[in-house]
Amino acid sequence: GEDVEQSLFLSVREGDSSVINCTYTDSSSTYLYWYKQEPGAGLQLLTYIFSNMDMKQDQRLTVLLNKKDKHLSLRIADTQTGDSAIYFCAETPYSSASKIIFGSGTRLSIRP
Amino acid sequence: DAGVTQSPTHLIKTRGQQVTLRCSPKSGHDTVSWYQQALGQGPQFIFQYYEEEERQRGNFPDRFSGHQFPNYSSELNVNALLLGDSALYLCASSLLYRGMGHTEAFFGQGTRLTVV
Repeated sequence: GEDVEQSLFLSVREGDSSVINCTYTDSSSTYLYWYKQEPGAGLQLLTYIFSNMDMKQDQRLTVLLNKKDKHLSLRIADTQTGDSAIYFCAETPYSSASKIIFGSGTRLSIRP
Repeated sequence: DAGVTQSPTHLIKTRGQQVTLRCSPKSGHDTVSWYQQALGQGPQFIFQYYEEEERQRGNFPDRFSGHQFPNYSSELNVNALLLGDSALYLCASSLLYRGMGHTEAFFGQGTRLTVV
């Protein structure tokens, strides 16, 4: 089946690292994504990783993929107030590479 | 480039009515997908259009239908509206995935539909 799960809330102190976790069920996923959604805005693609990779780093963002456990994580280094948003984990199943399956989103709040 | 544009931004309809939402894809894109995002949830795939035909469909009833025009713009129609249809409707455009490489989907700001 196709299912993506993630925790609902995360609160971190400004300047600390944030780690958002996600699990998925489709072992044939091709691409796995992290999207950001700010209030009143659409979805912004932050980064993606191909299923045959273990890690991808892009400036303050690090994505780790553990295919054995079907676990995906997003680490945001030096978290800033502008990082406050909802973060969605998502995957594209191999069986239907046209659609994106989203998790319910993790709301990240930043404490001063 | 204006990116993906959707209209209207907000809409209020009464139960049983019909609604049409519109989407203009990013310049150069040929594929349009529609998603429904209920409050507090992630987006759910409704369907995708390419070459004016529905290529793929999610788990949505026939009350949800769409259309793609020769200029690649698209409409989402919902008939016999239910209270549960209240949601943010997102349009995403991309190039058709052809099995090689990654094609990014760009999302519009969405249309907030409220059914009363």
